[in-house]
This record gives sequence, C-alpha cells and structure tokens, in this order.
Amino acid sequence: NAGVTQTPKFQVLKTGQSMTLQCAQDMNHEYMSWYRQDPGMGLRLIHYSVGAGITDQGEVPNGYNVSRSTTEDFPLRLLSAAPSQTSVYFCASSYSSARPGELFFGEGSRLTVL
Amino acid sequence: TQLLEQSPQFLSIQEGENLTVYCNSSSVFSSLQWYRQEPGEGPVLLVTVVTGGEVKKLKRLTFQFGDARKDSSLHITAAQPGDTGLYLCAGAKGGSQGNLIFGKGTKLSVKP
Repeated sequence: NAGVTQTPKFQVLKTGQSMTLQCAQDMNHEYMSWYRQDPGMGLRLIHYSVGAGITDQGEVPNGYNVSRSTTEDFPLRLLSAAPSQTSVYFCASSYSSARPGELFFGEGSRLTVL
Repeated sequence: TQLLEQSPQFLSIQEGENLTVYCNSSSVFSSLQWYRQEPGEGPVLLVTVVTGGEVKKLKRLTFQFGDARKDSSLHITAAQPGDTGLYLCAGAKGGSQGNLIFGKGTKLSVKP
C-alpha cells in the first residue's frame, strides 16, 4: 500500500504565483486534512474533509482552498503565494470518525515562497 | 484557545538512559495520541489512549493518560539512537478532526 502520497516534495514559488499541492490516499479513508508545520508553531490544521463533497476550515485557512471530488484525492490550492506560506505541508487521512486523532500522514511537501 | 504544552522542548541523552516526556493541557480530551516524526518525514502514530489512567506499552515505550484525561506522559526505558526524533502529542475533543490539536513537540536526541 502506498498510503498517503503527496506531490511535489519540494517547490519554490515567487510571491503572487498560484499552485496546487496534490494528496492522494489509497486506504479508502473518509477523513482527510491538510496541516502546515512551522518551527516553534507545531502542526496547524488548514482545511479538512469528512467525505467527498464536504470540506471545512481549520485553524489557519486564509490563502488556501480545497475541494474533495473523490474519496481518494484532496488537493490544496494556494491562490496567491506569500512568503508567510513558506512551510512544510502535510496531508493526512483517518479511517474512523470515532478516532479523529489517529492520522496517517504523507511525507510532506516543502514549499518556499520568495 | 486550547493548548497542549509539551515538555521538555529538547532532550539530549546518552544511549541506555531513561527519559519521560510530558503533554499537559487544561482541557479534557476524549482521546490523546502520540506520534514520532523523523527528519524529512511525516509523523507516525505510536499509540492512542482513551481512558483516564490508562497505561499502554510499546516495547520500551510506556504511555500513560492522566486520570482526568487532561495530560499524558511518554516514558522510554534504556533509550537507543533509533529513538531519536520529534515526539508529538495530539488531543481530540469529540469526533471531529476540526477539534484535533497538536503540541509543539519534544525533540529527542539519543547519542551512542
């Protein structure tokens, strides 16, 4: 099993550019989420989805869009990149609504915005 | 704002030593998870604790959930270099991923 797959692993953008971070899981998990990890800040939730067609905002949603058209895919879109969005981004999935903290994480996407 | 405070932030020990890492909050959680993250990789789930006072063991790692379900500890016996990594705790309130919060982590270095 591939688990949770994120692409790209590394990306450099200029301020104002847009891009999409891809996330796919092959475990038939209902729940998917995006986190960003910054030094001294820990993991912060950006957006999450409890199933296809349903998304909701997390702690730091501004500047990001998501959609969930299939169970497998949960892309994260940066609309107009800013240096403050330089971070490591993790996609995660979970199989049980009863255990929302039991997450399977991807390997991360390191984004630098110049 | 809900907070999960982890201590210590950094820990550097010699192989064979014992250590304890703490995760504290003023909030009550329905479950609490511990993760280990190695450089360049995503966090990997180690354990979930659900019941107040619960103790779980994973080889040399012992996890305990506080009686009031507000805090947790991770104890490692006879640490090995392979235990090196960032240890994260996460607390869930109810059945929504939107209510899951992470501590900032304890960075452990075990020297041979």
